[in-house]
Amino acid sequence: EADIYQTPRYLVIGTGKKITLECSQTMGHDKMYWYQQDPGMELHLIHYSYGVNSTEKGDLSSESTVSRIRTEHFPLTLESARPSHTSQYLCASSPSGQVYHEQFFGPGTRLTVL
Amino acid sequence: RKEVEQDPGPFNVPEGATVAFNCTYSNSASQSFFWYRQDCRKEPKLLMSVYSSGNEDGRFTAQLNRASQYISLLIRDSKLSDSATYLCVVNERGFQKLVFGTGTRLLVSP
Repeated sequence: EADIYQTPRYLVIGTGKKITLECSQTMGHDKMYWYQQDPGMELHLIHYSYGVNSTEKGDLSSESTVSRIRTEHFPLTLESARPSHTSQYLCASSPSGQVYHEQFFGPGTRLTVL
Repeated sequence: RKEVEQDPGPFNVPEGATVAFNCTYSNSASQSFFWYRQDCRKEPKLLMSVYSSGNEDGRFTAQLNRASQYISLLIRDSKLSDSATYLCVVNERGFQKLVFGTGTRLLVSP
């Protein structure tokens, strides 16, 4: 099993609230990623990081923001949640290296905004 | 055109059947290829990496055809527990990012 954790696993919240989705990994991986996935649909990359103090936007535009102050921690924040943000959010990490390595996924946070 | 294309299925097969999935990718410079498995409402998990020489892991065989830019996954002697969505995954040229296909859904019935 991969050592990557996400909290909370499920979150139901009202419109306008600020939320932070936590992601931590204990594998010492430099690269971390956030994906958004709606039921039955493909994964969309929304943010990624190559290491501490590095953050980049992914392929899918997102109103969320991320930070990477510590190697093991990559939280995602929504300043003002809206119903359109309802989705599953998956965090992943991978080691560095010239050969591209697999990504290890956390269990996901299922977010519902009322 | 999507970077990674898969037939979404579902593929309905009986137990014991052999089933094959194909996937095509558009970026000829892609270097790494994977098949991931995703169960309903769960996170994706690596099934196997795909090498140019082809590779086998038990009942699963993966093949890569660089000239035609497609990847295949063959599952022999299907089990009920093989029911899942199989994601074809390719790295994006020049970036340490993976591009995921939409997935092919497999349903194995008794």
